[in-house]
Amino acid sequence: DGGITQSPKYLFRKEGQNVTLSCEQNLNHDAMYWYRQDPGQGLRLIYYSQIVNDFQKGDIAEGYSVSREKKESFPLTVTSAQKNPTAFYLCATGGASNYGYTFGSGTRLTVV
Amino acid sequence: AQSVTQPDIHITVSEGASLELRCNYSYGATPYLFWYVQSPGQGLQLLLKYFSGDTLVQGIKGFEAEFKRSQSSFNLRKPSVHWSDAAEYFCAVVDAGGTSYGKLTFGQGTILTVHP
Repeated sequence: DGGITQSPKYLFRKEGQNVTLSCEQNLNHDAMYWYRQDPGQGLRLIYYSQIVNDFQKGDIAEGYSVSREKKESFPLTVTSAQKNPTAFYLCATGGASNYGYTFGSGTRLTVV
Repeated sequence: AQSVTQPDIHITVSEGASLELRCNYSYGATPYLFWYVQSPGQGLQLLLKYFSGDTLVQGIKGFEAEFKRSQSSFNLRKPSVHWSDAAEYFCAVVDAGGTSYGKLTFGQGTILTVHP
């Protein structure tokens, strides 16, 4: 069954700690994206990658880092430099073509 | 830069009533347009998309949307709302060319409440 999987569903971070969110897809799509969702603000693009070993900053990249070593995987690290990391994070794959974009079920990150 | 505006933050309708959610975009060329739905704590599900051709697009769950270039709008409609339609709805646009190709820009979302 093709799709995109995010883990964990819930994640708790202590002050000053880095945490990594996982995103895996088996749809064989080249492009992958990370979005952050806050209430009333829609979704904002953090990073995106259109090909393996290449990625670009989105609108709110500060305090985040990514890697794209495999086509299937696009992990997001929330670093200690991100001062307000509590949010819902969504990973997506696909593009502006007939197949569109597919979203994962999200990871809710909370600072404790 | 492209932008999307959903003027209504929260809409309440009665079950069985008709629904229209508004979406306006700002973009010079013909955009690719999407409507997504999100239940609390879940990912986004695609309702429908417009790339080209017929300006009235049919989607899943009985939803449709009409692309109006002259009004820069892509409003979502449903003739009869069901209680299960209660969710948050997002309009999104993709720049079909240029350096921002592939990146979705979202509106702020509209929360739909359905009264029995």
